[in-house]
Amino acid sequence: DQQVKQNSPSLSVQEGRISILNCDYTNSMFDYFLWYKKYPAEGPTFLISISSIKDKNEDGRFTVFLNKSAKHLSLHIVPSQPGDSAVYFCAARGGGGATNKLIFGTGTLLAVQP
Amino acid sequence: KAGVTQTPRYLIKTRGQQVTLSCSPISGHRSVSWYQQTPGQGLQFLFEYFSETQRNKGNFPGRFSGRQFSNSRSEMNVSTLELGDSALYLCASSLNSLDTQYFGPGTRLTVL
Repeated sequence: DQQVKQNSPSLSVQEGRISILNCDYTNSMFDYFLWYKKYPAEGPTFLISISSIKDKNEDGRFTVFLNKSAKHLSLHIVPSQPGDSAVYFCAARGGGGATNKLIFGTGTLLAVQP
Repeated sequence: KAGVTQTPRYLIKTRGQQVTLSCSPISGHRSVSWYQQTPGQGLQFLFEYFSETQRNKGNFPGRFSGRQFSNSRSEMNVSTLELGDSALYLCASSLNSLDTQYFGPGTRLTVL
């Protein structure tokens, strides 16, 4: 049962344009969402997070939007840079109980073309 | 401040052997979690430790075990290795039990 889904395996964007990565979830008990960026053979790097009580969080070029009614979140990167090329994972925490367990989506490979 | 460190970075074992992986969290972090990444299953949660206590365990067989020491360092052990245990094993630490997790570089385990 895939509770966190990233339906786009890959995304290609031109440098300077906006990248939008999407994530859907099924468990309404999730209380915290995070985005990580990952290069091959390395650990995920934390990018940005959002609590379920908010609908937007911004940090520099990265903005995360949360639509609880649709159980959907998205990561916007503006402007996109070639160094942003990596796999992006969304993750959700919660689902009942005091736990820091993260459930990850399957990832989206972002390629930013110069 | 140094990040999460994991040792060894690469490991090759044969079926039936056992392996111990080590994780040192960011200084001051008290919570450590472990994840397994494989091409087929993605990133999956293994365990979560806080103050030497296992708080949560993922859906893995009993061959997978872990522990946390008083200095917050953690180890995980896999016994009777199977080919399917080949994966990148990631450790993540957080300041307290519900804070953002920061990941180490991982240990690449290959089982032959």
